[in-house]
Amino acid sequence: GQQLNQSPQSMFIQEGEDVSMNCTSSSIFNTWLWYKQDPGEGPVLLIALYKAGELTSNGRLTAQFGITRKDSFLNISASIPSDVGIYFCAGHPTSGTYKYIFGTGTRLKVLA
Amino acid sequence: NAGVMQNPRHLVRRRGQEARLRCSPMKGHSHVYWYRQLPEEGLKFMVYLQKENIIDESGMPKERFSAEFPKEGPSILRIQQVVRGDSAAYFCASSPPTGPYEQYFGPGTRLTVT
Repeated sequence: GQQLNQSPQSMFIQEGEDVSMNCTSSSIFNTWLWYKQDPGEGPVLLIALYKAGELTSNGRLTAQFGITRKDSFLNISASIPSDVGIYFCAGHPTSGTYKYIFGTGTRLKVLA
Repeated sequence: NAGVMQNPRHLVRRRGQEARLRCSPMKGHSHVYWYRQLPEEGLKFMVYLQKENIIDESGMPKERFSAEFPKEGPSILRIQQVVRGDSAAYFCASSPPTGPYEQYFGPGTRLTVT
């Protein structure tokens, strides 16, 4: 099935560093969602974006809806060990479906 | 407001048996989605249902797999005659009946076929 290009696939960073990841698509989306999945758990919704150019924060997390409507970015500032997990983006296409298309995930590991 | 509930959390079945996975959506949500996830992989869409209707089952294998969301009670994902390749985590998500259709996930059911 169709998937978004999410990068990087994985990253190892030092505690306290900032993290950036992004999702890109050839299609236009009207909603972007960002999730975090801890091992053995279901994805948890972190941030939802509804308008091109929108910038939304949730604590140390900031996400942006790209102005072309084909990409989105997630930044984590001052990472801590509990940020470890898999981060997924999901995009909702503009045309006639309720389905979200999910990215392949970014696996984040934080070194103390 | 309780979140999406799934049970069982873990299910072990022998090859050839049936697996029934249950999902109760969040209160007020009428859309249910089922996803499958293999270890170290992303979420693969299986089926999207509204009450008493299957809207999109394009991701569901044609044989042995079925899903329902009755007027009363939870959504059920049913796998008949399970095989080892069915071992995976199965997640359910729900969304409200009107936009924006944010999806909220349950904790998943981990199916192991021995």
